[in-house]
Amino acid sequence: AQSVTQLGSHVSVSEGALVLLRCNYSSSVPPYLFWYVQYPNQGLQLLLKYTSAATLVKGINGFEAEFKKSETSFHLTKPSAHMSDAAEYFCAVIYASGGSYIPTFGRGTSLIVHP
Amino acid sequence: EAQVTQNPRYLITVTGKKLTVTCSQNMNHEYMSWYRQDPGLGLRQIYYSMNVEVTDKGDVPEGYKVSRKEKRNFPLILESPSPNQTSLYFCASSLGPPGGVGDGYTFGSGTRLTVV
Repeated sequence: AQSVTQLGSHVSVSEGALVLLRCNYSSSVPPYLFWYVQYPNQGLQLLLKYTSAATLVKGINGFEAEFKKSETSFHLTKPSAHMSDAAEYFCAVIYASGGSYIPTFGRGTSLIVHP
Repeated sequence: EAQVTQNPRYLITVTGKKLTVTCSQNMNHEYMSWYRQDPGLGLRQIYYSMNVEVTDKGDVPEGYKVSRKEKRNFPLILESPSPNQTSLYFCASSLGPPGGVGDGYTFGSGTRLTVV
């Protein structure tokens, strides 16, 4: 069964520090990959997506993610954290086989930013 | 404005009283889905629809029903709600394949349901 794993339910960083949120998928066939962000009391917003073009994907708010097939990973990074980045982040994967094209979400990682 | 609209935002109900959460999108999207979000479990898919009159079960369909009579609407029905259905619910839509799958999902703002 398709799956996506986010390592760490909580990640805590200081303002200005590097942000690294981990996501691994389980498939030998590269899927479509997404990162979503959820701010308190809001729905999910698309942060960035990988659709088999460039392996380094740039998204909104200074975030980027790199697709690494050899590691089956799609980790999210940001060079310098801001207080406004505090939110829940979800990695999602779509496996195009079977024709459903329905995303499976990871369990989420809560990013905490300290002053 | 392109959006997915869910109603209501908050709902408290009693066990066994049928309820419907509405979802509407104005983007002419083919794909629509319902998810529930619970602490520590992330988002779990309840049902999805790939087009009008085409629906299928997700990972946690028990206790829920859906219908897709029109492209824009995808209501979630709880025929006999129970306390374990207390959760935060999200509706989402996407354009669909072949190119649309790369656009990701647009989410509604959520419906917080409490069943007592």
